[in-house]
Amino acid sequence: GAVVSQHPSRVICKSGTSVKIECRSLDFQATTMFWYRQFPKQSLMLMATSNEGSKATYEQGVEKDKFLINHASLTLSTLTVTSAHPEDSSFYICSARPWKGLGEKLFFGSGTQLSVL
Amino acid sequence: SQKIEQNSEALNIQEGKTATLTCNYTNYSPAYLQWYRQDPGRGPVFLLLIRENEKEKRKERLKVTFDTTLKQSLFHITASQPADSATYLCALVSSGTYKYIFGTGTRLKVLA
Repeated sequence: GAVVSQHPSRVICKSGTSVKIECRSLDFQATTMFWYRQFPKQSLMLMATSNEGSKATYEQGVEKDKFLINHASLTLSTLTVTSAHPEDSSFYICSARPWKGLGEKLFFGSGTQLSVL
Repeated sequence: SQKIEQNSEALNIQEGKTATLTCNYTNYSPAYLQWYRQDPGRGPVFLLLIRENEKEKRKERLKVTFDTTLKQSLFHITASQPADSATYLCALVSSGTYKYIFGTGTRLKVLA
């Protein structure tokens, strides 16, 4: 089956530092990847939609200069949280939609728990 | 405004019974609706998809219904097992934008 690998699974950093999260589709090509944020016991909030080779589309209220998204290839998207602050602490999850052959289902990474001190 | 709501924060049922979870939405025109399972600290896992022109879908012990008039989907797990305990999320995919928007989730606990 299709696998999405997300790293790191957990990161603790100091306020003001930048954190990069990687999302890779291991056995399929993904023209579209989505980045979500999830607070405890809440649902997934869509942050941005990332298409290979083009700029990401951010949801209303999400700062594009704060959350930098790069989708450089059909198998890799990265989310960089720049100058992280404690309020950025959250569970970040990526998902990938296969280019073809696997239908409309999304395949999710295992998530990254970010804690900013 | 657009909303996707799922029933209650937690649903406890006895092993062997049927669990029924609800997903209601407003101000959406979904192309299709999906159900995912999420375990604590993990990403969601796809379970079932149902299109706007379909009434019902089944997969093993799972059944999904979709009523576009009522703007509601029901998700059933028959012969529930403790291993079915998890949070279940519904997701709408809007026709046009093809964004995946998730509901609030329902935590299911199956008691042995």
